[in-house]
Amino acid sequence: DIQMTQSPSTLSASVGDRVTISCRASQSISSWLAWYQQKPGKAPKLLIYKASSLESGVPSRFSGSGSGTEFTLTISSLQPDDFATYYCQQYNSYLLTFGGGTKVEIK
Amino acid sequence: EVQLLESGGGLVQPGGSLRLSCAASGFTFSNYAMSWVRQAPGKGLEWVSGIYGSGGSTFYADSVKGRFTISRDNSKNTLSLQMDSLRAEDTAVYYCAKEMGITYDSFDIWGQGTMVTVSS
Repeated sequence: DIQMTQSPSTLSASVGDRVTISCRASQSISSWLAWYQQKPGKAPKLLIYKASSLESGVPSRFSGSGSGTEFTLTISSLQPDDFATYYCQQYNSYLLTFGGGTKVEIK
Repeated sequence: EVQLLESGGGLVQPGGSLRLSCAASGFTFSNYAMSWVRQAPGKGLEWVSGIYGSGGSTFYADSVKGRFTISRDNSKNTLSLQMDSLRAEDTAVYYCAKEMGITYDSFDIWGQGTMVTVSS
């Protein structure tokens, strides 16, 4: 199975900050990586697919980069609506796996 | 409007069975793979099972293999998950999720989730 490791697990930031979340795969997954945002009591929402493609309707302050085993989600200027938990997910093959999550908190 | 609506969750005793359903609307159901993803209380996301758009191939996480069965009825736009031999560790919110392609892919549409509690 491909293991996905996210860091940090918790991040404290202020509105307007540039935020970076990392995701590492235990083996190469090419660009088959997605990022999701989840708020308490809600289903996850797709932000980025194929490592760097922005899902329709997602603000352009979200961006993704990386390939192989190292990936990054960047929020260029954190907004109040962005405080949430973020997950990466690989889809190189079944079994699909998620990272452990990064909670972005208000500083 | 593209929509997924899960049903069938509830309280069940250890060793019992439950069948979850997911009704899809607003897209050509047979053109997309579908999966079940769960989230235990206070924990992260865990992929449980997936099925190709044709229904010809199914896949399971090791934690549920041999106990859960995924199926789909493309004529009724319905995805199902039969859960047998349930354990306390299966307690979670179960989400139905649409994949972006006909085989495994990222999930662009999610249902609202249905809670499964396994307890005596």
